[in-house]
Parts: sequence; C-alpha cells; structure tokens
Amino acid sequence: QQPVQSPQAVILREGEDAVINCSSSKALYSVHWYRQKHGEAPVFLMILLKGGEQKGHDKISASFNEKKQQSSLYLTASQLSYSGTYFCGTEYSSNTGKLIFGQGTTLQVKP
Amino acid sequence: AAGVIQSPRHLIKEKRETATLKCYPIPRHDTVYWYQQGPGQDPQFLISFYEKMQSDKGSIPDRFSAQQFSDYHSELNMSSLELGDSALYFCASSLGRGAYEQYFGPGTRLTVT
Repeated sequence: QQPVQSPQAVILREGEDAVINCSSSKALYSVHWYRQKHGEAPVFLMILLKGGEQKGHDKISASFNEKKQQSSLYLTASQLSYSGTYFCGTEYSSNTGKLIFGQGTTLQVKP
Repeated sequence: AAGVIQSPRHLIKEKRETATLKCYPIPRHDTVYWYQQGPGQDPQFLISFYEKMQSDKGSIPDRFSAQQFSDYHSELNMSSLELGDSALYFCASSLGRGAYEQYFGPGTRLTVT
C-alpha cells in the first residue's frame, strides 16, 4: 500500500529542473508533499485533493492525475536550498489524515 | 508564527525502561498525529487524535499508548523499550482531520541502549 516514488535520487545543477513522481496502486483521496533535510522535520510543501488539480507556488508546483493515481512534483530553476529528501504522503480515506509516505527521493543541487 | 513543540528533543533510555514524549500542537489545531522515522527511512504513521479522541491507528506496538488532553497537547507513552525503538519521533498537527496540511514538530530523538 506504500506509494512508489521515482526517481530514488537525482543530482542537479543550480537552475535545472526536476520532476518527482509518486504512484499508488490504490485509489487516492489526497497527496501531500514534504521536503526533509537531514536530521530535521519534514516541511510541508503542498496538498492536492483528487480531482486532477494542479497547485503551485513560486517555482514548485504539483499535479494529481486521478486516472493514473499518480502525483508529480515539479521543481523549476532549482536552487541550492532545494536539496533534501522529498516525500509524498498519501491519504486513502477521507477524514482520517493518516498519511502513508513513499520511500523518498533524494535531491542534491550543486552549484 | 507558532510551531509544533515537542519535548524532550533528545532522550536516552535503557532497554526495558519507559519513556514519555510530549507534543504541543499549533494553537487552534485540534488534530495531532504521531510518526516514527528510523534512520534513512520514511515516516511511519503511529496514531492520531481528533478533538481528544483517537482517530486512527497505524503500526503502533501494544507497548505504546497515547492520548490527547483537554488542552490538545498529546503524550506518547512507551514501555518495555527495545533497541529497535530507537528513532526520531515526530508529532504533527493540523486544523481539522482529513485532507488538511500537517505541520511537523522538530522531533524527539530516542536512543535505546
């Protein structure tokens, strides 16, 4: 039931773009995206509800494809501060808030 | 802006001892979640509370118990600690149950020796 994230790791140069995918074999109610730096708490990025909506702020955006049960996180013009591990947290039932996280995608941005 | 507060930040215990972790949610947040994260792993959902009632349960061992109090703070009680319980324990809070943003606290690093 754990969602699958891809790729597992990615290395970028500053200014490059990246896409991180999160796929589920089970119908999703919502997808939450977090970034975590080593030894720190996960930081909330955005939440998407089923319905195929797309959200974004600044240079980070995300989409939710209900047909494919997949969400994608788009990072454009990456900055050094984007480095960290990105987790998608999936919610399968409404009204619980119980998140099942993917295994994480490690992103390293180099100067 | 106020954030989630967790105490203690670090805790060292011996096998078979007990530990109590505390979580103070963001003001006005009525829902609290507990997650356990081992080294290099993703956060694992343990248990959640909404309006002081248990809302959902995940992979929480029977040796662990938790509750949410009238002021909405929550405590995770862990007994008969095992080496495998060593992990980062995060508390998160949200304004409502369900598809609401969950804000994580800084975590409590528990080391069992």
